[in-house]
Amino acid sequence: EVQLVESGGGLVQPGGSLRLSCAASGFTFSSYDMHWVRQATGKGLEWVSAIGTAGDTYYPGSVKGRFTISRENAKNSLYLQMNSLRAGDTAVYYCARPNTIGAFDIWGQGTMVTVSS
Amino acid sequence: DIQMTQSPSSLSASVGDRVTITCRASQGISNYLAWFQQKPGKAPKSLIYAASSLQSGVPSKFSGSGSGTDFTLTISSLQPEDFATYYCQQYNSYPFVTFGQGTKVEIK
Repeated sequence: EVQLVESGGGLVQPGGSLRLSCAASGFTFSSYDMHWVRQATGKGLEWVSAIGTAGDTYYPGSVKGRFTISRENAKNSLYLQMNSLRAGDTAVYYCARPNTIGAFDIWGQGTMVTVSS
Repeated sequence: DIQMTQSPSSLSASVGDRVTITCRASQGISNYLAWFQQKPGKAPKSLIYAASSLQSGVPSKFSGSGSGTDFTLTISSLQPEDFATYYCQQYNSYPFVTFGQGTKVEIK
């Protein structure tokens, strides 16, 4: 079964850091780009970052310079290092896999990140 | 950035109704459009990609159409399990993808 399982969420103070993980199974992880998408409570979906199979990385302006996406193919794992966290970063964070043409077809169950003092 | 605008933001419908949701892109995106369904507390589920191609396992009551800037998702006969929020997503500017704001389908 193709599956993505996120972990690492929690409560962090403003200005703090957190590292999220996403464990992949059931497919050849190294052959796929991977993404992080977040959703604040009651709000829509917001793309957060992407990493290609060659390790190339991409971010929107809202997190560029603060978040770092990485992958470890030997462990079938995706990561998101989040620094200088703000209240506006509070959300459920999902990892997602795109199919060969870029449409997301597999999503994890999400992990909650709360930034609050 | 490509902006995606869905309409309506919410709608009320009855079981058995035919429902149509619209998604408009701020610039042409060919057919690089996907639709997702999300139920409360759950992850999004992929329904359609390439504007009109059904994901494996998705029932045929869901259909998508459109190209360029205007797209629609249609549910042919609404069932209780279809009450959810639906999102469109463009991937024409992949990997810089963007989502619509969502359309909540509620029971009338």
